[in-house]
Amino acid sequence: DAGITQSPRHKVTETGTPVTLRCHQTENHRYMYWYRQDPGHGLRLIHYSYGVKDTDKGEVSDGYSVSRSKTEDFLLTLESATSSQTSVYFCAISVGGRGSNQPQHFGDGTRLSIL
Amino acid sequence: QQQVKQSPQSLIVQKGGIPIINCAYENTAFDYFPWYQQFPGKGPALLIAIRPDVSEKKEGRFTISFNKSAKQFSLHIMDSQPGDSATYFCAASMRSGNTGKLIFGQGTTLQVKP
Repeated sequence: DAGITQSPRHKVTETGTPVTLRCHQTENHRYMYWYRQDPGHGLRLIHYSYGVKDTDKGEVSDGYSVSRSKTEDFLLTLESATSSQTSVYFCAISVGGRGSNQPQHFGDGTRLSIL
Repeated sequence: QQQVKQSPQSLIVQKGGIPIINCAYENTAFDYFPWYQQFPGKGPALLIAIRPDVSEKKEGRFTISFNKSAKQFSLHIMDSQPGDSATYFCAASMRSGNTGKLIFGQGTTLQVKP
């Protein structure tokens, strides 16, 4: 168990509202990632972090922002949710020392529905 | 090209059969190829991984075959069981930048019938 907790696990909200998803880890790993999973697309990287206050964009970052003020928490924010952001969101961590080519462990996801 | 193409989209086999899932990539800078298994309501879990300096890797009933020249790799599940019914994802990443970012295939839903 890599000690990853995602919250909330399920959320339904309306278009235009802000939404924040939280990923919490208990093992002080440096690298953390946010992916979204959609049918036919597999998992796609939204943003990732390589340290406190150090973040970068992934392949589908438009409409999302992230913050990491503490090693253990990585937040994903949808500033103004749209229906196209309805998805299952997964947080992951790298357990290797520098994050390169090390197995990534995933949380159990947040199912987000935007009406 | 950053894509990883996975096929088939779905697969049904009888218990004891050997399902094979295939993936292809374009970017020769990829040098780490993991496979993930996902059950409904759960996150993907690392199953097995391979680097391009080997052509095959086995872990229990799971085998990865890797063809560097063809830029293809595949997952074989020996003596498949109903408990193997899940969605499987291949992925790829590269060393440059040391970020560990993964590019995933589209996923294959496997059903193993008793």
